[in-house]
Amino acid sequence: NAGVMQNPRHLVRRRGQEARLRCSPMKGHSHVYWYRQLPEEGLKFMVYLQKENIIDESGMPKERFSAEFPKEGPSILRIQQVVRGDSAAYFCASSPRGQGADTQYFGPGTRLTVL
Amino acid sequence: AQTVTQSQPEMSVQEAETVTLSCTYDTSESDYYLFWYKQPPSRQMILVIRQEAYKQQNATENRFSVNFQKAAKSFSLKISDSQLGDAAMYFCAYREGGGATNKLIFGTGTLLAVQP
Repeated sequence: NAGVMQNPRHLVRRRGQEARLRCSPMKGHSHVYWYRQLPEEGLKFMVYLQKENIIDESGMPKERFSAEFPKEGPSILRIQQVVRGDSAAYFCASSPRGQGADTQYFGPGTRLTVL
Repeated sequence: AQTVTQSQPEMSVQEAETVTLSCTYDTSESDYYLFWYKQPPSRQMILVIRQEAYKQQNATENRFSVNFQKAAKSFSLKISDSQLGDAAMYFCAYREGGGATNKLIFGTGTLLAVQP
């Protein structure tokens, strides 16, 4: 059973460009979570999605950031007009259901560097 | 709002010895879950152990065990017979049990070094 897949593993963008980060959950998992880890810090929750639904986006910056989890295909975290402060590791996690008892399994992360 | 505090930015242990990493949390909820995740230099987040708040018995996974003190809101991780591969950043995390969101709230981490 393949784990959570994220690509790309490393992404370099210049200021003002767009960044698209992809996450494929574990087989059988329909709940996806995105977290951001700034340098030397812990992970911070960004958004929680089910297929075709955003359940909780309380951790998402109000501008430039968006996320989706379509019926078919991976979940996408999109950052428009990137700035240097967006440089971070972005982790995706998945769980089989949306219950507190579920364990979230993490992908390897995407390290975004903004030049 | 719930918070998770790890007061030890760095710890060191000799190989084969035992080390305890501290974690405290603040919540007004009675139904919640606690986790320890390990992040080695590869940056992959690996679940080490989990504890359900309604269970009085401390969770154990091989060389890893927790000391869960619900009244004190404390959740420490004990690593016995430390191995070189245990060297990593360790994060304590909290999640509410019955809420609409299942977000994990992480502490700032403890960097564990294992000396040969």
